[in-house]
Amino acid sequence: GENVEQHPSTLSVQEGDSAVIKCTYSDSASNYFPWYKQELGKRPQLIIDIRSNVGEKKDQRIAVTLNKTAKHFSLHITETQPEDSAVYFCAASSGGSYIPTFGRGTSLIVHP
Amino acid sequence: GAVVSQHPSWVICKSGTSVKIECRSLDFQATTMFWYRQFPKQSLMLMATSNEGSKATYEQGVEKDKFLINHASLTLSTLTVTSAHPEDSSFYICSARSPGQPYNSPLHFGNGTRLTVT
Repeated sequence: GENVEQHPSTLSVQEGDSAVIKCTYSDSASNYFPWYKQELGKRPQLIIDIRSNVGEKKDQRIAVTLNKTAKHFSLHITETQPEDSAVYFCAASSGGSYIPTFGRGTSLIVHP
Repeated sequence: GAVVSQHPSWVICKSGTSVKIECRSLDFQATTMFWYRQFPKQSLMLMATSNEGSKATYEQGVEKDKFLINHASLTLSTLTVTSAHPEDSSFYICSARSPGQPYNSPLHFGNGTRLTVT
């Protein structure tokens, strides 16, 4: 089955800095990679996703890059703000198993 | 659109009792719902896939007789934790996809249920 590794587990940055979270996956058939943000005690919410036919996708301060050859994808947050503080999960899924496999999560702390 | 509602948000129960958690798709029909369990500072662990009108599919290591799942309608799935024990204390979250969406589409999560067993 799919195995998703996520790093780092904790990331602390100053407001205005950039933050990068990296994930690797094992199943070369995986072709959908969503990122979810979960604030404390709340539900995970999709912030951005990418499909395997695209190498990069951007939405304002958030971008995701995908390297299919290396089987890794990354979340980039620029100009971080305190409200970006949350746990971020990456996930990967394929047509063979339509249920996404989640990474262990990254706790992002943005200091004002 | 695609709102998933979960109740209760939190529940405290005594050891040995059973607790039912409801997951509803408010503005769409969900033939499949997913139940996750999340320990503090850990990832979302899939417990089972709930299928409307048929038996749930449980992940390896999840006791189906302890975590009873019923998906009796296209908008409601329930998870019952039977004979709860303190080690069952956790955050339980359900999710579903918008109807007609393929595997490469996002999940919509419920707001989660914090279960504390004393």
